[in-house]
Amino acid sequence: DTGVSQDPRHKITKRGQNVTFRCDPISEHNRLYWYRQTLGQGPEFLTYFQNEAQLEKSRLLSDRFSAERPKGSFSTLEIQRTEQGDSAMYLCASSSTGAPFDEQYFGPGTRLTVT
Amino acid sequence: AQTVTQSQPEMSVQEAETVTLSCTYDTSESDYYLFWYKQPPSRQMILVIRQEAYKQQNATENRFSVNFQKAAKSFSLKISDSQLGDAAMYFCAYRSRDDKIIFGKGTRLHILP
Repeated sequence: DTGVSQDPRHKITKRGQNVTFRCDPISEHNRLYWYRQTLGQGPEFLTYFQNEAQLEKSRLLSDRFSAERPKGSFSTLEIQRTEQGDSAMYLCASSSTGAPFDEQYFGPGTRLTVT
Repeated sequence: AQTVTQSQPEMSVQEAETVTLSCTYDTSESDYYLFWYKQPPSRQMILVIRQEAYKQQNATENRFSVNFQKAAKSFSLKISDSQLGDAAMYFCAYRSRDDKIIFGKGTRLHILP
């Protein structure tokens, strides 16, 4: 198993542009999570999926953010009309089940810089 | 709302020595889970150790152990025989049954050779 992968690893964009990130979870993992991590902070929960269903979204996820997991495998996170405040590391994680004690496996993250 | 506090932004320890990282949390729930995650520079975050709140026995994983004090809402991580590869950001995390993980701000650990 190759682990959770994310693409791209780095993205620089100008304010107002749209960006899309991709996350490939560990195969057969049902749960997929998105987090945002800003400098000097721990990751903050954004949203998560059980298979293809998006079960919860954080208040941090404004209307400019949308996430999908169309076939219950990979997921995309899109940010429309990016703002400088969106600059952060976006982390994806997956777990085999939704059990609270279940380990979440993290990807390397996508670092977004909005200029 | 639940909160996780790590009061030590940075710590240093001599190689082969023991270091303890502090974490406190606030919750009104009785059933929850606690974790320590390690994030090495430019590398993926990995789980170090986890503890179920209903278990009184402190979790251990090789050189890593926790001191879980439920009444005090404290969950510290002890690293014994520190190694250069232990240098990383360490995040304390809380998870309730509703599945959200709440992370602290982290403690950067430096290992001095």
